[in-house]
Amino acid sequence: NAGVTQTPKFQVLKTGQSMTLQCAQDMNHEYMSWYRQDPGMGLRLIHYSVGAGITDQGEVPNGYNVSRSTTEDFPLRLLSAAPSQTSVYFCASSNSWRDEQFFGPGTRLTVL
Amino acid sequence: AQSVTQLGSHVSVSEGALVLLRCNYSSSVPPYLFWYVQYPNQGLQLLLKYTSAATLVKGINGFEAEFKKSETSFHLTKPSAHMSDAAEYFCAVTTSGGSYIPTFGRGTSLIVHP
Repeated sequence: NAGVTQTPKFQVLKTGQSMTLQCAQDMNHEYMSWYRQDPGMGLRLIHYSVGAGITDQGEVPNGYNVSRSTTEDFPLRLLSAAPSQTSVYFCASSNSWRDEQFFGPGTRLTVL
Repeated sequence: AQSVTQLGSHVSVSEGALVLLRCNYSSSVPPYLFWYVQYPNQGLQLLLKYTSAATLVKGINGFEAEFKKSETSFHLTKPSAHMSDAAEYFCAVTTSGGSYIPTFGRGTSLIVHP
């Protein structure tokens, strides 16, 4: 099993550009989520999904969109990148809300 | 609502000394509690979890944590620190009354001196 994979590992954008961060898992997990990690702020939840076709907002959803058309994939879209979105982004999945989350390796995004 | 507080953004210990990382949670229903470790430039990985079976939970790499309901705490300990323990540690809580996604603390950076 590859677990949770994320692409790309690094990305540099200019203000106003859009892009999609990819996340995929091969463990047949229903729960998937996106976090951003900033120094001193811990992990903050952006969006999450409890199954295909079901998504909801987390703590910091503004400027991001998600969709969940399959169990395996949960892409995160930045609509119009801003410098405040410079961060490290982690995707995670779990079998249920009671179980531990499995994290991807992260995407380091810089917005100039 | 659920929340987690990790006391101390940085903890510094000498190699061989006791490691104690503090975590307090807030929840109106029985919680599920987790400790994760993050090594530099990597994602998080599970150290241990509390799921109401036993109050003292043993994890990987010699770490353990004790659930204390009366103190709403889930502190992480290790009897003897090793240089390889240097990392960021996160406490997380999930409950049935929340969004079904864990809430994470802000993390504690463990520094181990030779």
